[in-house]
Amino acid sequence: AQTVTQSQPEMSVQEAETVTLSCTYDTSESDYYLFWYKQPPSRQMILVIRQEAYKQQNATENRFSVNFQKAAKSFSLKISDSQLGDAAMYFCAYRSANNYGQNFVFGPGTRLSVLP
Amino acid sequence: DSGVTQTPKHLITATGQRVTLRCSPRSGDLSVYWYQQSLDQGLQFLIQYYNGEERAKGNILERFSAQQFPDLHSELNLSSLELGDSALYFCASSREGLQETQYFGPGTRLLVL
Repeated sequence: AQTVTQSQPEMSVQEAETVTLSCTYDTSESDYYLFWYKQPPSRQMILVIRQEAYKQQNATENRFSVNFQKAAKSFSLKISDSQLGDAAMYFCAYRSANNYGQNFVFGPGTRLSVLP
Repeated sequence: DSGVTQTPKHLITATGQRVTLRCSPRSGDLSVYWYQQSLDQGLQFLIQYYNGEERAKGNILERFSAQQFPDLHSELNLSSLELGDSALYFCASSREGLQETQYFGPGTRLLVL
């Protein structure tokens, strides 16, 4: 079964600085999707960014970008120019591209604090 | 706003009781997923429905059941509630296909006393 690991339970960053959140996963599949979701204090789950495993190019969304290393099974999230509104729990998630029986697998999350 | 709606937002009930959580997917989405998030924990996938049919099952207890109706809204039924069932229950929806992103509703916070 696939597993997702986020080794940093908590992180902090100064406003306007850059921070990187780590995520590793374990799978025997070659085709899959990876996601980062943000959960602010409101508890709403908000999609931040997604990456298709077949794409070599790293996904970017404004201040958010990923470093996808398929061979290393690593999928880190970089937040540039951090803002106070970025403070939240961040969850990394994996989804199989071939198996409907295997749905989203979430990591345990990283709580990010942004210091003014 | 993701376009996924969930009711109620909050629910307080007693042990042994039964509750029903409701979810309306985004317009055009045929798949509905249910997740449970206990305090300060990640999300656990419970069950998925696609166009009225059960498609995938996760860590869903036998005391829990779900269904998706012809209008595509879904209900999650929780019975014989225990203190440990207190959690945030999310519904998500997506278009057809594993490549499609899931969009989450605001969640229903259940407190069992």
